[in-house]
Amino acid sequence: DQQVKQNSPSLSVQEGRISILNCDYTNSMFDYFLWYKKYPAEGPTFLISISSIKDKNEDGRFTVFLNKSAKHLSLHIVPSQPGDSAVYFCAASVSGGSNYKLTFGKGTLLTVNP
Amino acid sequence: DAGVIQSPRHEVTEMGQEVTLRCKPISGHNSLFWYRQTMMRGLELLIYFNNNVPIDDSGMPEDRFSAKMPNASFSTLKIQPSEPRDSAVYFCASSRTSGQNTGELFFGEGSRLTVL
Repeated sequence: DQQVKQNSPSLSVQEGRISILNCDYTNSMFDYFLWYKKYPAEGPTFLISISSIKDKNEDGRFTVFLNKSAKHLSLHIVPSQPGDSAVYFCAASVSGGSNYKLTFGKGTLLTVNP
Repeated sequence: DAGVIQSPRHEVTEMGQEVTLRCKPISGHNSLFWYRQTMMRGLELLIYFNNNVPIDDSGMPEDRFSAKMPNASFSTLKIQPSEPRDSAVYFCASSRTSGQNTGELFFGEGSRLTVL
């Protein structure tokens, strides 16, 4: 049972345009969400996060939106750059005793074309 | 600052052999995680240590897998005997936990294991 789903295995966009990566979750107990970025032959690196008490968090070109009623979050990258080409993982956790446990989606490969 | 250091980066072995993967977390981090990445299952948590103590090993697939953290700067993940289905990329990650864990993990570059 996949609790965090990234239904698009890949996404291709033109440089300068917006990239929108989507993530859905099924566990209503999740209250903290993160996006990680992974380049080939490297480990994932933290990108941005959002708590369930917010519906938007912005950091430079990256914005994460959370829709709790739809159990959906998205990562917007504006403008997209070729260096953004990577695999993006959505992750979720539950506050409290098991708050260390991140459940990851399978990732979306973003390709930004020059 | 040095990040999480894993070794070996690549390991090719034959079925039945023992495999030991090593991890040095970031200095000052008190939580350490072993994850496994496969095409089928994505990133899965295998085991979590806090202050060198195993807290959650529910993700360890079976008794062939074991992990230790003898001190704050070193951890091992051992597979004995190894099987072809163990082929995957194994990531070690660390974090500094405080009153509220933000979940921001720092990952190593991974150890790619191929079992023939």
